Amino acid sequence: DVKVTQSSRYLVKRTGEKVFLECVQDMDHENMFWYRQDPGLGLRLIYFSYDVKMKEKGDIPEGYSVSREKKERFSLILESASTNQTSMYLCASRGNMNTEAFFGQGTRLTVV
Amino acid sequence: AQSVTQPDIHITVSEGASLELRCNYSYGATPYLFWYVQSPGQGLQLLLKYFSGDTLVQGIKGFEAEFKRSQSSFNLRKPSVHWSDAAEYFCAVGAWGSQGNLIFGKGTKLSVKP
Repeated sequence: DVKVTQSSRYLVKRTGEKVFLECVQDMDHENMFWYRQDPGLGLRLIYFSYDVKMKEKGDIPEGYSVSREKKERFSLILESASTNQTSMYLCASRGNMNTEAFFGQGTRLTVV
Repeated sequence: AQSVTQPDIHITVSEGASLELRCNYSYGATPYLFWYVQSPGQGLQLLLKYFSGDTLVQGIKGFEAEFKRSQSSFNLRKPSVHWSDAAEYFCAVGAWGSQGNLIFGKGTKLSVKP
């Protein structure tokens, strides 16, 4: 069974902390994505990566960075967490062309 | 610009009633289309997908969707809703031949009355 695993289901962090959200996939997919989900706004793309060490900005990259050192792992980094980054974060992966995306269970991040 | 519109933010249906969730897309290239479902506090699960061929596609949990190119629509249907179908539903579109990002609608929340 294919799997995308996010390291935490729930996180509570303090304002100003550096936060790491980890995502691992076991499908040997080239493409990985980080989304943020807020009520009424749907899924908004933060960053995606189409290969190791490659990254592309999505729609809302400000305040975030990413790292992809290995094919199976894609990390989202909040350099200095702020309360407006309180949200649900979803990781996804996709194979090559014309395939669906597979999602992790999500990380509910609260910044206090 | 590429976009996906789900006109209904929230729908309530009675258990056993039929369901149709609307999805319209705007995409310059030949699209391929998806419906995902999200239970509270969970990630997204694929219900069905359309790439080519028969415009009526069957998915899991008794759902189906019909691609209508002339109307730029990909509506999701189920003949008889169960209480466990209460969730949020997302329509998504991708470009044929692309491995990039999928564009998602804002979602439709489905409530089911007993």
